[in-house]
Amino acid sequence: AQRVTQPEKLLSVFKGAPVELKCNYSYSGSPELFWYVQYSRQRLQLLLRHISRESIKGFTADLNKGETSFHLKKPFAQEEDSAMYYCALSENFGNEKLTFGTGTRLTIIP
Amino acid sequence: GAGVSQSPSNKVTEKGKDVELRCDPISGHTALYWYRQSLGQGLEFLIYFQGNSAPDKSGLPSDRFSAERTGGSVSTLTIQRTQQEDSAVYLCASSLGRGRPYEQYFGPGTRLTVT
Repeated sequence: AQRVTQPEKLLSVFKGAPVELKCNYSYSGSPELFWYVQYSRQRLQLLLRHISRESIKGFTADLNKGETSFHLKKPFAQEEDSAMYYCALSENFGNEKLTFGTGTRLTIIP
Repeated sequence: GAGVSQSPSNKVTEKGKDVELRCDPISGHTALYWYRQSLGQGLEFLIYFQGNSAPDKSGLPSDRFSAERTGGSVSTLTIQRTQQEDSAVYLCASSLGRGRPYEQYFGPGTRLTVT
């Protein structure tokens, strides 16, 4: 069965410093990987997905199949980045249910 | 257009009572998902609908949980004989559907408290 691991429950970073949120997965097939974000008092929303290979709000994530990782990175943290971040995995072309990690709460220190 | 809506936003119920949670997906979205967000448990998948059919019910924690979807639109999650461990935020999401792993759009959730 698929599994997503986010080892850090809490992460605090100073404004302007680099951010890296870790995500590792286990899945026997070829998965689709996503990062979802939940800002305070807002609903869960997609941040980015690996197939798009795009940068959203300065964040990027590269799928490393050798290390089965999909870490989220941003070179310079901003205060508005404070939120709960979830890494998620979906089976490719079939049941697109998401398997989520337990989430990392990111706090940016002014 | 309108996003995914859920009702009620909050529900407090006594242990042993039945509850119904409702989800209105985005119009035209054929896939609908229910998840549960518990403290310390993160987000866990409950059930997936494609149209009115539920090809994956593997996440339902017990036979006290059931869900249905009618008209390819509204879905209802029913919890019978609620227990305190059912307390959580229940999230609904919808997406364009099978074969297209596009993003899922989430509702605001229903916070269920069982006393």
